[in-house]
Amino acid sequence: AQSVTQLGSHVSVSEGALVLLRCNYSSSVPPYLFWYVQYPNQGLQLLLKYTTGATLVKGINGFEAEFKKSETSFHLTKPSAHMSDAAEYFCAVRMGSARQLTFGSGTQLTVLP
Amino acid sequence: EAQVTQNPRYLITVTGKKLTVTCSQNMNHEYMSWYRQDPGLGLRQIYYSMNVEVTDKGDVPEGYKVSRKEKRNFPLILESPSPNQTSLYFCASSLGDPLSYEQYFGPGTRLTVT
Repeated sequence: AQSVTQLGSHVSVSEGALVLLRCNYSSSVPPYLFWYVQYPNQGLQLLLKYTTGATLVKGINGFEAEFKKSETSFHLTKPSAHMSDAAEYFCAVRMGSARQLTFGSGTQLTVLP
Repeated sequence: EAQVTQNPRYLITVTGKKLTVTCSQNMNHEYMSWYRQDPGLGLRQIYYSMNVEVTDKGDVPEGYKVSRKEKRNFPLILESPSPNQTSLYFCASSLGDPLSYEQYFGPGTRLTVT
């Protein structure tokens, strides 16, 4: 079955440390890949997306993600975590020829002082 | 200010009592969508609309209805709510296909059905 897997429902990092949030997908056709962020009591906001072209995608707030076809992954990274990065992060994928997105189950990021 | 608004933000109701959650956007977006968010399941699409009078089922449409009579509004209707519809609901809109255009999300409606 096609799916989106986010490894780790909760991730904690220290302020200033590297942030790495993992996303793996299964898709039989080239995927469209997205990362969204949800701050407390707010709706989702697009961080970045990959459709075609360069596999390293830069987004807002210093985040970036790399599409690795051989690993079917689209992990989200940020070199140095800030307290304001504390939020829930969702990976989303266009599955097959669908015109909608399938969301992962989310990863709650906690940034420790 | 460009935004997606939802009302109410919080709602507690009883099984079987019909309710409507409104969604409105002021960005002249063609595409609108409803999602529910449940712990450990992420967001799942309920219904979407590509344009006025054009709606289609998402992944979890059972127990829900929608209508798109005007471009700016996309209400979600629960004719006979049940406890398994207790969830956090988000409305979203985009200029067009969400694969190509950024989706803007409303603040969410937390629904509890007892």
